[in-house]
Amino acid sequence: DVKVTQSSRYLVKRTGEKVFLECVQDMDHENMFWYRQDPGLGLRLIYFSYDVKMKEKGDIPEGYSVSREKKERFSLILESASTNQTSMYLCASSLAGLQETQYFGPGTRLLVL
Amino acid sequence: AQKVTQAQTEISVVEKEDVTLDCVYETRDTTYYLFWYKQPPSGELVFLIRRNSFDEQNEISGRYSWNFQKSTSSFNFTITASQVVDSAVYFCALSVPSGYALNFGKGTSLLVTP
Repeated sequence: DVKVTQSSRYLVKRTGEKVFLECVQDMDHENMFWYRQDPGLGLRLIYFSYDVKMKEKGDIPEGYSVSREKKERFSLILESASTNQTSMYLCASSLAGLQETQYFGPGTRLLVL
Repeated sequence: AQKVTQAQTEISVVEKEDVTLDCVYETRDTTYYLFWYKQPPSGELVFLIRRNSFDEQNEISGRYSWNFQKSTSSFNFTITASQVVDSAVYFCALSVPSGYALNFGKGTSLLVTP
């Protein structure tokens, strides 16, 4: 079974803090993705990575950066958290090839005060 | 551009009823992939099925079945004899070779009551 884990299920941070969300997958997948999910807006892609140290912007990259130093780990960084980044963050991974099935982690509910 | 529409925002049924969740998609690509995911209250998106545009065969997996019709650009999902554990938000999604994101619909919230 594919296993995607995220470092926290719930996180509370203050405006201006630097926030790290970690994602780890154990299936040797080449691709990893970060989405955010908001009521009424659905899921939107923030960034994805197709290889170590490689990244591509998604639909809403502003205010975020990512890091992929190892194949199994993909980090999402909020450089200076803002209240409009309060959301559910979902990590996913897939085999190489953009049409491969994406498998998701349990999500991190982030509240920025 | 790709678009997925799930017109049903919320559906409520009584246990053992059959229920169909609608999904209509738009794309100009001739090759594309369709997906269904389930999101229970715990939050994790669970993969259910993947279909490519060249395979219009309907699929059945236990109480779940999927009806793919290219003529109407639809990929509907039916749960037979629904159970309380089927209560979740269900997402339909589309991907194309020219893009890298899954394009999700807004989801349909299904509530199954005893």
